[in-house]
Amino acid sequence: IAGITQAPTSQILAAGRRMTLRCTQDMRHNAMYWYRQDLGLGLRLIHYSNTAGTTGKGEVPDGYSVSRANTDDFPLTLASAVPSQTSVYFCASSDSGGEQFFGPGTRLTVL
Amino acid sequence: AQSVTQPDIHITVSEGASLELRCNYSYGATPYLFWYVQSPGQGLQLLLKYFSGDTLVQGIKGFEAEFKRSQSSFNLRKPSVHWSDAAEYFCAVGAAGGSYIPTFGRGTSLIVHP
Repeated sequence: IAGITQAPTSQILAAGRRMTLRCTQDMRHNAMYWYRQDLGLGLRLIHYSNTAGTTGKGEVPDGYSVSRANTDDFPLTLASAVPSQTSVYFCASSDSGGEQFFGPGTRLTVL
Repeated sequence: AQSVTQPDIHITVSEGASLELRCNYSYGATPYLFWYVQSPGQGLQLLLKYFSGDTLVQGIKGFEAEFKRSQSSFNLRKPSVHWSDAAEYFCAVGAAGGSYIPTFGRGTSLIVHP
């Protein structure tokens, strides 16, 4: 593993289903983030974590939950997916200098 | 609250022409400023960043940006654009530290004509 990995790469999901997007980093960064990217809206922060064991809400947290059991992993869960959650999801981490490192993204389609 | 405005949704330039992408920010203290690039189907990659010191910052791929406090701007420039520069560009503002939450602009899509 080098940097940030996300899984799956893409997913088609039926509305109402539960889905967990995985994110793992190997840089030992304290801070991690989940964003969604939609055309014309740029990147919007869903949830973040400043350090293992803590999480916080971003701009668009409704319908999503996160956990941060350790430094490396930061999964994002959709408890009951809805079509408006169709998007590209990016996980990122940052060092103390503020630079963010992004994963390759997960393209999620909710039907 | 901090905010970032990228006034141009799309910019079209000819290959070899110069480029300037605009970014204006609102932040209560001295900001940390970033430019990221996103190629199609990829995640974001840092081009350059400003923390303090020299207001003209050099980045990767021949890009530079100038911090102008009086204008609350951090515009990205490149003297000669290559076709491979076609991508989405994002400006971001924030601060370092334990509670660092960056704010991104909505992005500018760069189209390069041959």
